[in-house]
Amino acid sequence: EIVMTQSPATLSVSPGERATLSCRASQSVSNNLAWYQQKPGQAPRLLIYGASTRATGIPARFSGSGSGTEFTLTISSLQSEDFAVYYCQQYNNWPRTFGQGTKVEIK
Amino acid sequence: EVQLVESGGGLVQPGGSLRLSCAASGFTFSNYAMHWVRQVPGKGLEYVSAISSNGGSTNYANSVKDRFSISRDNSKNTLYLQMGSLRAEDMGVYYCARDNGPLDYWGQGTLVTVSS
Repeated sequence: EIVMTQSPATLSVSPGERATLSCRASQSVSNNLAWYQQKPGQAPRLLIYGASTRATGIPARFSGSGSGTEFTLTISSLQSEDFAVYYCQQYNNWPRTFGQGTKVEIK
Repeated sequence: EVQLVESGGGLVQPGGSLRLSCAASGFTFSNYAMHWVRQVPGKGLEYVSAISSNGGSTNYANSVKDRFSISRDNSKNTLYLQMGSLRAEDMGVYYCARDNGPLDYWGQGTLVTVSS
């Protein structure tokens, strides 16, 4: 199975600053990579799919990049509602696999 | 509006069984593959199982293979997860999600507790 590794585990950022989250796949997943946001007590929400396409209703401050094995989620200017846990997931191979998550917390 | 509503969670003893359901509405259920994903509270997301749109193909995580069975009833717009030989490590919130490549819609989850 493909192992997805996210870094860092925790990212401390001030509101208005930029956040950069990384996700690495143990083998190529092409661009079949999604990012999800999860807030406490809520289900995950799709942010990015196809490595770089924002899902419906997702603000432009969220952007994704990468292909193959290296991917990045960038939040250009953190808003209060963006403090959450972010997961990457590959949907290129079975079984589908998630990264362990990056928690973005207020600095 | 797409809605996924899970039910069937609860407390079960180790070695016991439980069946989860996920009622879908707001989209043509029979057109989409569906997934179950679980999460131990405070931990990360774990893929559990998936089923094709017509139910003819299924996939399981190694951790649940031979113990869990996924199925669907397209006439009832409902997804199921039959869980058997439950272990403490199966505890968590179980989400159903719609497969559109990525998982584009998720339910709110149902909590499964395995304890004697």
